[in-house]
Amino acid sequence: QSALTQPASVSGSPGQSITISCTGTSSDVGNSNLVSWYQQHPGKAPKLMIYEDSERPSGVSNRFSGSKSGNTASLTISGLQAEDEADYYCCSYAGTNTWDWVFGGGTKLTVL
Amino acid sequence: QVQLVESGGGVVQPGRSLRLSCAASGFTFSSYDMHWVRQAPGKGLEWVAVISYDGSNKYYAGSVKGRFTISRDKSKNTLYLQMSSLRVEDTAVYYCVKVRSSYYFDYWGQGTLVTVSS
Repeated sequence: QSALTQPASVSGSPGQSITISCTGTSSDVGNSNLVSWYQQHPGKAPKLMIYEDSERPSGVSNRFSGSKSGNTASLTISGLQAEDEADYYCCSYAGTNTWDWVFGGGTKLTVL
Repeated sequence: QVQLVESGGGVVQPGRSLRLSCAASGFTFSSYDMHWVRQAPGKGLEWVAVISYDGSNKYYAGSVKGRFTISRDKSKNTLYLQMSSLRVEDTAVYYCVKVRSSYYFDYWGQGTLVTVSS
C-alpha cells in the first residue's frame, strides 16, 4: 500500500485560511468516508482533528474542517493562529480483504 | 481519562528481538481494537499492526509481517508488540493507539523509542 500524497509544506499568515490536500486512490481515500486527519506538534503524539472525512471530535476548534472529492481529501484551517503551526497527517482505511491503514507523508504548516 | 503508557523501547542490535508493552487505563480495554503506529526519526507516521478487541483478529503492515506479533492481555489491560529479526529501518518511536469507531485513532500514548543499531 503506497502512502497518500500530501504537499510537504504550506504556510499562511495569522487570520488567513489554508488547505492541505491528501490524494490517494479508489482503494483508500475514494473507497468510503474513512479519512481522518492528525495534528502533531514537535516531540508530541499526534492528535485526532477530523474523522469520517469531515467530522470533528469534541474539543477540536471549528476552525478545522474536512472535505473530500473523489480520491482527494482536504483539511482546511481558517483564521490561522500561531498554535496551528504543526505537522498534519491524513490517514485512510485501505482494507479490502484485510485490515489496512495508510498515512500521508505529512505536511508542515508554518504560520508566518 | 484515557491513558496509554508504552514501555520496553531501547537500543538493540540488528537481528535481535524486543517486546514493547502498553498499559491502558481510563476505558474498557477489552471493548476496543488497538493499534501500533510508528514514526522513524524526522519521518512520517506508519501504521504497523492492529488487534481486535477480543484478540481474535490480527493484521500487520507488509513491512513487519512475519517479524512482529501483536497481542493483548485483558486481565492486565496491556497491549504488546513482540518484534523479532529487527532491522535498522525499524528504528522509530512506537505509539500505542486506541481507536474510535474502529477506524480512527483517537488516543495515542507518548511513544517509546526503538533504536536498531550495531
